[in-house]
Amino acid sequence: ILNVEQSPQSLHVQEGDSTNFTCSFPSSNFYALHWYRWETAKSPEALFVMTLNGDEKKKGRISATLNTKEGYSYLYIKGSQPEDSATYLCAPNQGGKLIFGQGTELSVKP
Amino acid sequence: DAEITQSPRHKITETGRQVTLACHQTWNHNNMFWYRQDLGHGLRLIHYSYGVHDTNKGEVSDGYSVSRSNTEDLPLTLESAASSQTSVYFCASSAMGAVTEAFFGQGTRLTVV
Repeated sequence: ILNVEQSPQSLHVQEGDSTNFTCSFPSSNFYALHWYRWETAKSPEALFVMTLNGDEKKKGRISATLNTKEGYSYLYIKGSQPEDSATYLCAPNQGGKLIFGQGTELSVKP
Repeated sequence: DAEITQSPRHKITETGRQVTLACHQTWNHNNMFWYRQDLGHGLRLIHYSYGVHDTNKGEVSDGYSVSRSNTEDLPLTLESAASSQTSVYFCASSAMGAVTEAFFGQGTRLTVV
């Protein structure tokens, strides 16, 4: 079973701040890296799926980068808004199944 | 619209009882997964299936079982419920391939008393 680490575990920022978090995973046998957004009382929803080293994905104010050689991915949020408050999960795909990190809980204060 | 549904949404059961949580998807996905959500652990994989009659153990499979008799359903059974199995359970499904995103059910909150 993969060891997936996310940091920080929680983050409290003010509206308008930009922020980033890290996901680290074993670089061997890499297939794909998924990012999910999980709001309280809802189900996780996919943000990005990345496969190529150096890949960068963007959706609105949220972007992610991937380094498969060293086994890490960064998620960036530019100009955080209160509606960005959620837990952000990363999950490498291991043989078809997703192994999730413990998540980064983001709280954005107005 | 295709969807994935779990039932019941909430369940209270007694220690030692057998409990089955249902998961039904209409995406026609081959892959189905069961996770449990625990504080400080995120989502941990219990069991998964890549197709009909295929089942595999995940990282926290002790005390749980699944069966896959058709594409749409992957019920999760707790053989003899224990208080340590009090958790929120999520079912997910995905198409084949590493780049396909998973779709999650709404979750089932199980309390074992």
